[in-house]
Amino acid sequence: DAKTTQPPSMDCAEGRAANLPCNHSTISGNEYVYWYRQIHSQGPQYIIHGLKNNETNEMASLIITEDRKSSTLILPHATLRDTAVYYCIVRRPYNTDKLIFGTGTRLQVFP
Amino acid sequence: EAGVVQSPRYKIIEKKQPVAFWCNPISGHNTLYWYLQNLGQGPELLIRYENEEAVDDSQLPKDRFSAERLKGVDSTLKIQPAELGDSAVYLCASSLDRNEQYFGPGTRLTVT
Repeated sequence: DAKTTQPPSMDCAEGRAANLPCNHSTISGNEYVYWYRQIHSQGPQYIIHGLKNNETNEMASLIITEDRKSSTLILPHATLRDTAVYYCIVRRPYNTDKLIFGTGTRLQVFP
Repeated sequence: EAGVVQSPRYKIIEKKQPVAFWCNPISGHNTLYWYLQNLGQGPELLIRYENEEAVDDSQLPKDRFSAERLKGVDSTLKIQPAELGDSAVYLCASSLDRNEQYFGPGTRLTVT
């Protein structure tokens, strides 16, 4: 599985959009980009995933560049409850032996 | 649908003592994972079960760690004897056909 690079921390004002970047320059053609988050004292939680097209669900939007070497997770209206560590992982769907987490981005949403 | 259940949530023990963690995966999930999470780091896989078979335990320190998944449902992770460096969060996750993984809340172990 390809490695990812994320900034260690970011701040965002409540109600504003939070844009979390991720670099995955060694991603291979059959790997997807997945995002998870981990709120304090909880286990990681799946957010969204995509292959090459932009994706949106009730939690977030995922923008993947055309060359697939980087992506951005967008929380359109951040709330205090979005304060968490966000992990970007590239992997194949199904047949996943394990998730390889990096250190993620610690997002602090402030009032 | 109930999520992954883990117990206890917190455990404090003295070094050299044994400790055990229990995990009940989501019903019907055939794959079960135990991850270790050190402070400030992402989780790292310790062992993966497919039903009752441990198919990847390469990262499990077998001199002191052991795990079992009887009947392919619940699982127990044990440390004996515990060392100071074992202080961490132990996460259990389950999945159906190794697709999406669902994590429990974890057990925070403190070894004094």
